[in-house]
Amino acid sequence: RKEVEQDPGPFNVPEGATVAFNCTYSNSASQSFFWYRQDCRKEPKLLMSVYSSGNEDGRFTAQLNRASQYISLLIRDSKLSDSATYLCVVLYTDKLIFGTGTRLQVFP
Amino acid sequence: ETGVTQSPTHLIKTRGQQVTLRCSSQSGHNTVSWYQQALGQGPQFIFQYYREEENGRGNFPPRFSGLQFPNYSSELNVNALELDDSALYLCASRRTGGNTEAFFGQGTRLTVV
Repeated sequence: RKEVEQDPGPFNVPEGATVAFNCTYSNSASQSFFWYRQDCRKEPKLLMSVYSSGNEDGRFTAQLNRASQYISLLIRDSKLSDSATYLCVVLYTDKLIFGTGTRLQVFP
Repeated sequence: ETGVTQSPTHLIKTRGQQVTLRCSSQSGHNTVSWYQQALGQGPQFIFQYYREEENGRGNFPPRFSGLQFPNYSSELNVNALELDDSALYLCASRRTGGNTEAFFGQGTRLTVV
């Protein structure tokens, strides 16, 4: 079983849609959780950290369920510029472990 | 711009050759990690250095080795290159401990022919 699992997609959604990505992790002792965004042929960049109580940053909402070892990212009112790959990242024994990424394509 | 720089940006090597990739970490960051990203995959953890010592390694053979220098810059060395080593190699730097963000360099795209 992979340490961090994501649905690779692609998710094709129209502008304005709401889309949700899910991620599961295998190590219950994982310490911290993040969502990174990666544009085509570019390096990953931090989108947001994920806190136990859930957190929101504008159109983006992240949630963590430690009991189920599950992380989610919700994007509301999708923009064309949201098209990218979204990487679920877990900090475990002080090492960042990445999921395969979920590809999002927003169309007009 | 993250302050993490990698060199070279692109490289073509022949199977069996050796390659050295370099990374300058962001000021104040003491931990450097290296990742291999094949097309369509997420970054795979190769190894991590903290204060010049390797403190974690992923599922990569010994022909992948590294160094970290006193200024926290780092090198990734790959010996006996194989065709499957063709990938984007990413370097990430951060301050160890806590919920700290990792910053990535732009990567080195290695092609083995």
